[in-house]
Amino acid sequence: NAGVTQTPKFRVLKTGQSMTLLCAQDMNHEYMYWYRQDPGMGLRLIHYSVGEGTTAKGEVPDGYNVSRLKKQNFLLGLESAAPSQTSVYFCASRPYGQGIAGANVLTFGAGSRLTVL
Amino acid sequence: GEDVEQSLFLSVREGDSSVINCTYTDSSSTYLYWYKQEPGAGLQLLTYIFSNMDMKQDQRLTVLLNKKDKHLSLRIADTQTGDSAIYFCAESIGGYNKLIFGAGTRLAVHP
Repeated sequence: NAGVTQTPKFRVLKTGQSMTLLCAQDMNHEYMYWYRQDPGMGLRLIHYSVGEGTTAKGEVPDGYNVSRLKKQNFLLGLESAAPSQTSVYFCASRPYGQGIAGANVLTFGAGSRLTVL
Repeated sequence: GEDVEQSLFLSVREGDSSVINCTYTDSSSTYLYWYKQEPGAGLQLLTYIFSNMDMKQDQRLTVLLNKKDKHLSLRIADTQTGDSAIYFCAESIGGYNKLIFGAGTRLAVHP
């Protein structure tokens, strides 16, 4: 049971380049999320999806686009990378409904470290 | 606004208790969470508490919630080297399980 898998794990980009981070989950979860983690700051929500074909903006969506064409996959795209997007990116998912004893619990991937020069 | 604050670093001796503190701002939070992040890994749920509870105990973990002061703490009894990690406090607000995370407390356990 792989859970949440992110690819690639590491990537170095030059300013202005584009790339896509892939998140795949095999738990049949409806909700998927992309967060970024920066030193001294908590995780910040970039975009999320409540089901196949739907996406919504989180706290820091600028400079990113997402797509959820298949239920198991959630893609995060950077069209023109900037140094400010150097970060560790985490994907997470959860099932619809109340989960464990009413608490909604996220399952996280291992992260993708992106450096933009 | 929404904000979760926690100290960034804690160092304890192996076998002692660790207490990690957190303050949050949204009084409408229904659940508060503690997540653990080990080096090179994603976050894993450690424990959570419903907002109408004052305390929750789970083996070596004790969570205390003071709603009046919006203060949450995580106590780890008999801290072991395997407990060395970053611990994130988070509150859930609104719909779609929007979680607001603190910056994380790095726990270092030394012999």
